[in-house]
Amino acid sequence: AAGVIQSPRHLIKEKRETATLKCYPIPRHDTVYWYQQGPGQDPQFLISFYEKMQSDKGSIPDRFSAQQFSDYHSELNMSSLELGDSALYFCASSLGRGSPETQYFGPGTRLLVL
Amino acid sequence: SQQGEEDPQALSIQEGENATMNCSYKTSINNLQWYRQNSGRGLVHLILIRSNEREKHSGRLRVTLDTSKKSSSLLITASRAADTASYFCATSAGGTSYGKLTFGQGTILTVHP
Repeated sequence: AAGVIQSPRHLIKEKRETATLKCYPIPRHDTVYWYQQGPGQDPQFLISFYEKMQSDKGSIPDRFSAQQFSDYHSELNMSSLELGDSALYFCASSLGRGSPETQYFGPGTRLLVL
Repeated sequence: SQQGEEDPQALSIQEGENATMNCSYKTSINNLQWYRQNSGRGLVHLILIRSNEREKHSGRLRVTLDTSKKSSSLLITASRAADTASYFCATSAGGTSYGKLTFGQGTILTVHP
């Protein structure tokens, strides 16, 4: 079965650079979630989209922005990168935004900021 | 973690033994899910239990939920070396939270062959 696709899988950036992470949800899934997992930490919710509209917002820095496109894929744009942004970034998708809907996670993008 | 704690933080057992992990949370929930994560990799969904359910089974997994105590447990029976991973509980509050998950701190399970 098709899974959530994230690209790139690994990314190395310098401080103050920008990065764009992409997420392709499972076909027919209309809701996308972004999570950040620091080293040895649990995943933290950043932001979500349902039917191309922002649905909920968590602890996402103002330097980050995201959107969901007409084909339901989503992009997380990160600017003025800081060392503390180094983390594993997960995208998850689900069908519908209400509970209970199982969220299926992608393999993650590992971002390293030097 | 913003939601709660998982207990124990690390668990080491022998193959064939049972492993029990506990999770506590702080707010009202709509459902609770358990995920597994192999070292630095993606999160794999294991099982979802709704707030009006008390127990659920899936293969070697058994999950219980006690909403009065705001706690859940995950039991893995007859463990295998391949079960070695981190296990996270995640809660969904429903309502205006629209399904976002709040994760516990995770339990690192090591199963020795």
